[in-house]
Amino acid sequence: LAKTTQPISMDSYEGQEVNITCSHNNIATNDYITWYQQFPSQGPRFIIQGYKTKVTNEVASLFIPADRKSSTLSLPRVSLSDTAVYYCLVGDISFNKFYFGSGTKLNVKP
Amino acid sequence: SAVISQKPSRDICQRGTSLTIQCQVDSQVTMMFWYRQQPGQSLTLIATANQGSEATYESGFVIDKFPISRPNLTFSTLTVSNMSPEDSSIYLCSVDTTPTSYNEQFFGPGTRLTVL
Repeated sequence: LAKTTQPISMDSYEGQEVNITCSHNNIATNDYITWYQQFPSQGPRFIIQGYKTKVTNEVASLFIPADRKSSTLSLPRVSLSDTAVYYCLVGDISFNKFYFGSGTKLNVKP
Repeated sequence: SAVISQKPSRDICQRGTSLTIQCQVDSQVTMMFWYRQQPGQSLTLIATANQGSEATYESGFVIDKFPISRPNLTFSTLTVSNMSPEDSSIYLCSVDTTPTSYNEQFFGPGTRLTVL
């Protein structure tokens, strides 16, 4: 099972682009990379998932280099409401199981 | 997507007692999971609730302590048995509705348990 390493916390200001990098050196061939967001007193919420290169949706982009040993979640123009914990997960989606790492606490300041 | 409700939302219990947490989904789903999240910590997968068969437990979790029922495709319960203060935590259920390549789980709001 691939272990993930993320920064414990990050600070940003409203309107800035935030990039959170996750390291997963032991990622397996069949593993996908998934990011979740969790607000206090709520369950986590799916943000984005990818296998390689770049994935973009309406809320974020996910950049995955060719060796797939790391990934970067990019949040464009953050607002105060983006203050949350962001989790990077790596795993074989065919098993449907998610193992959460320690997460990155993002604090967006006005 | 899926809308998930959990009951109770929170409870305070005495050590040695048991609490059953309910998880209800607004649609039929194949995969249901139970997680534990201790204060300020990440989520830990307890088990996969299988419909019509015994739950599949992760390392460190056993059926005697965390019995799980899954009587149909929209409902599951997790019981925390013979509780101790170390069981104080948030318990969350989640479901996977997507048989596609995007493996997106939807989480319930959680049950905050305090054991005295």
